[in-house]
Amino acid sequence: DQQVKQNSPSLSVQEGRISILNCDYTNSMFDYFLWYKKYPAEGPTFLISISSIKDKNEDGRFTVFLNKSAKHLSLHIVPSQPGDSAVYFCAASAPRGSTLGRLYFGRGTQLTVWP
Amino acid sequence: SQTIHQWPATLVQPVGSPLSLECTVEGTSNPNLYWYRQAAGRGLQLLFYSIGIGQISSEVPQNLSASRPQDRQFILSSKKLLLSDSGFYLCACQNGYGYTFGSGTRLTVV
Repeated sequence: DQQVKQNSPSLSVQEGRISILNCDYTNSMFDYFLWYKKYPAEGPTFLISISSIKDKNEDGRFTVFLNKSAKHLSLHIVPSQPGDSAVYFCAASAPRGSTLGRLYFGRGTQLTVWP
Repeated sequence: SQTIHQWPATLVQPVGSPLSLECTVEGTSNPNLYWYRQAAGRGLQLLFYSIGIGQISSEVPQNLSASRPQDRQFILSSKKLLLSDSGFYLCACQNGYGYTFGSGTRLTVV
């Protein structure tokens, strides 16, 4: 049962334009959300996160938006750069007492930024 | 900050051979540890997690097993590898609200 879903397996964007990666979740207990970036043959690295008490978090070119009523979050990358080409994983966690803080991951979206 | 050491980086093993992948963690104590697998074209599948020495939980029935002999050591094993065990194996350590991942092991079973 996939509690975190990334319905777009791939996204192709021109350099300099905006990349928007989407993520949906089903578990209303999730209260913390993260995005990880993964290059081939490497482990994922943390990119940005957001708590459920916020609806937006920004870090440089990266902004995450959270819509709790829709159980939807998105990652915006502006402007996109060729080095952003990677697989992006959305992840969510519930309060520690229930699931020990375990992360639930989506299947990932392959972003390709072309010159 | 946490550092995760995972080895080997790549491994080619014949079907039916044993497997042992090791993960060690620095910079923290009593961490929650995880083994994930990413098969070709697929997402991250949680295989095992551990909240302490000797405490292992399995997420999916499979040909693999895990052990945690020391606080900061997590081992993934198999007695006899199958072709379907091929994939990219990742060790992760809980870090606040997220994870720190190791660099991964690419396992190819031939």
